Amino acid sequence: QITLKESGPTLVKPTQTLTLTCTFSGFSLDTNGLGVGWIRQPPGKALEWLALIYWDDDKRYRPSLKNSLSISKDTSKNQVVLKMSNVDPVDTGTYYCARRYIYGSGGTFDTWGQGTMVAVSS
Amino acid sequence: QSALTQPPSASGSLGQSVTISCTGTSSDVGAYNYVSWYQLHPGRAPKLMIYDVNKRPSGVPARFSGSKSGNTASLTVSGLQAEDEADYYCSSYAGSINLERFGGGTRLTVL
Repeated sequence: QITLKESGPTLVKPTQTLTLTCTFSGFSLDTNGLGVGWIRQPPGKALEWLALIYWDDDKRYRPSLKNSLSISKDTSKNQVVLKMSNVDPVDTGTYYCARRYIYGSGGTFDTWGQGTMVAVSS
Repeated sequence: QSALTQPPSASGSLGQSVTISCTGTSSDVGAYNYVSWYQLHPGRAPKLMIYDVNKRPSGVPARFSGSKSGNTASLTVSGLQAEDEADYYCSSYAGSINLERFGGGTRLTVL
């Protein structure tokens, strides 16, 4: 059974760095064709993809947030960490991690965590 | 990086069918056959319902189906059941730089 679970602070102050951890089980992130991504949903708004790390350590970021995001993996711990620097109240929302199954030139997020709510406020 | 366009709401009676549209552009939905649909229930992990436009993962009932024409994808739920009441989001692969675009979500109400 594949599971993912997000963890991190529920409240962060503006300008601080938000660190979120995705701990997963049921698969290994050194398996060809797999990745783990982060997706968020601001209150009342659409889902938006933030970052993705592939099995070969290739990393992709949402172009508009590229300078403030950093994603990394620890295969031995089955964890993926997302850091978002200089957060702003607009970064408030529910943050999900999800497994990416990659095939052809595309793929899909086939399994998701339940999400963790983060508020950015002073 | 605009979101894909979905109607904010849809509804149907028990046992009926409902179709939710998802309109993108020639850079995402129109360019690739990598459209997915996700079901979101409050407090639960989002669930993949359709991938590759019209494929169902194991365990998803056959009454969920997907299609695409040009820049618009659609999710059809046939034989509506009470547990189908949820938010549904479409997404499309959008290339190696933008990776994935999501729709704004559609709240499906079962009457």
